[in-house]
Amino acid sequence: DVKVTQSSRYLVKRTGEKVFLECVQDMDHENMFWYRQDPGLGLRLIYFSYDVKMKEKGDIPEGYSVSREKKERFSLILESASTNQTSMYLCASSFGLKETQYFGPGTRLLVL
Amino acid sequence: GQQLNQSPQSMFIQEGEDVSMNCTSSSIFNTWLWYKQEPGEGPVLLIALYKAGELTSNGRLTAQFGITRKDSFLNISASIPSDVGIYFCAGQLTNFGNEKLTFGTGTRLTIIP
Repeated sequence: DVKVTQSSRYLVKRTGEKVFLECVQDMDHENMFWYRQDPGLGLRLIYFSYDVKMKEKGDIPEGYSVSREKKERFSLILESASTNQTSMYLCASSFGLKETQYFGPGTRLLVL
Repeated sequence: GQQLNQSPQSMFIQEGEDVSMNCTSSSIFNTWLWYKQEPGEGPVLLIALYKAGELTSNGRLTAQFGITRKDSFLNISASIPSDVGIYFCAGQLTNFGNEKLTFGTGTRLTIIP
């Protein structure tokens, strides 16, 4: 079974803090994705990566950056957290870009 | 970025009833996917559709890929309590360089005992 894990289920941070969200997958998948999920808006793609050290902007990359130093790990970074980044963050991975995406359990981030 | 229109936004139904939801887009896709998200978990793939007009079943779930390639439908027959969750459609174009998934806004299903 594919396993995608995220470092925290719940996180509370203050405005202006730097926030790291970590995601690890154990299936040697090439591609990894970060989404945010907000009520009424569904899932929106922030960034994705199709190889180590490669990254592509998704639909809403502003205020975020990512890092993929190892194939199994994809980090989402909020350089200076703001209250409008309070959301559920979901990581996913897939073998190829056309293949099924497997999701982690999500990190619910609250920025005060 | 593009979003898909998914309806209804929420449903309150009694156990045993059938459920229908749909997703529409202003542009075409060549893959449609349906995911379910249970409380506190990430979305899990239920059904994948790869061909216009395709009708695919997974147990009590049936999904169809619209003939225009701009819509898809999901039906759940004889609902049970464990069907509770949020259902998302997702479209994908699968042309090189444009394989991102576009998600619908979700349908929240609540089962009344």
